[in-house]
Amino acid sequence: QVQLQESGPGLVKPSETLSLTCTVSGGSINNYYWNWIRQPPGRGLEWIGYIYYSGTTMYNPSLKSRVTISVDTSKNQFSLKLRSVTAADTAVYYCARTSQETSVYYLFDYWGQGNLVTVSS
Amino acid sequence: DIQMTQSPSSLSASVGDRVTITCRASQGIGNDLAWYQQRPGKAPKRLIYLASSLQSGVPSRFSGSGSGAEFTLTISSLQPEDFATYYCLQHNTYPYTFGQGTKLEIK
Repeated sequence: QVQLQESGPGLVKPSETLSLTCTVSGGSINNYYWNWIRQPPGRGLEWIGYIYYSGTTMYNPSLKSRVTISVDTSKNQFSLKLRSVTAADTAVYYCARTSQETSVYYLFDYWGQGNLVTVSS
Repeated sequence: DIQMTQSPSSLSASVGDRVTITCRASQGIGNDLAWYQQRPGKAPKRLIYLASSLQSGVPSRFSGSGSGAEFTLTISSLQPEDFATYYCLQHNTYPYTFGQGTKLEIK
């Protein structure tokens, strides 16, 4: 059974960089797309972006200038960096998997449990 | 961005009721739509993919339909564990976008 686990600080100061890692277990990181999604407290879901195991990325334009997603296939991990954070970036951050068969994409079949990150001084 | 509009935003229903949630896209998305259930404090769980395909392990009382710009999620007979928030997601065009959610509450 594939499992995803987010890890990282729960508190980040304004203007600093939020850094999270998602560790994939029970399966390979290869041949899949790996996503970050966030949810501010009491609000809806926002897709941040993905990285393919080969390193190709796609970001939400609303965050693109501040986001970097990277992958380390040797550790079965991928990571999120969000720069210059403000209180508006306070959210639960989830990692999730997308799979592909031929030209069909299967979005977010596995999720991590979420990591609450609060931006506050 | 494609806007996904769910209706209703909240819904009160009783165990055994049949409920339908609608998701409308601001432009056609084919069948590139998924439905997720989220219980409080938990990660979303996929129920339906490609508009009408039931995720393995999800009870058959859940069904999805639609294509193009209008989609529905139907729960044929509500069970106590179904009271949660439901989200649609379009993955036809970047950026992927979710509906605002429908909170299903016990009447």
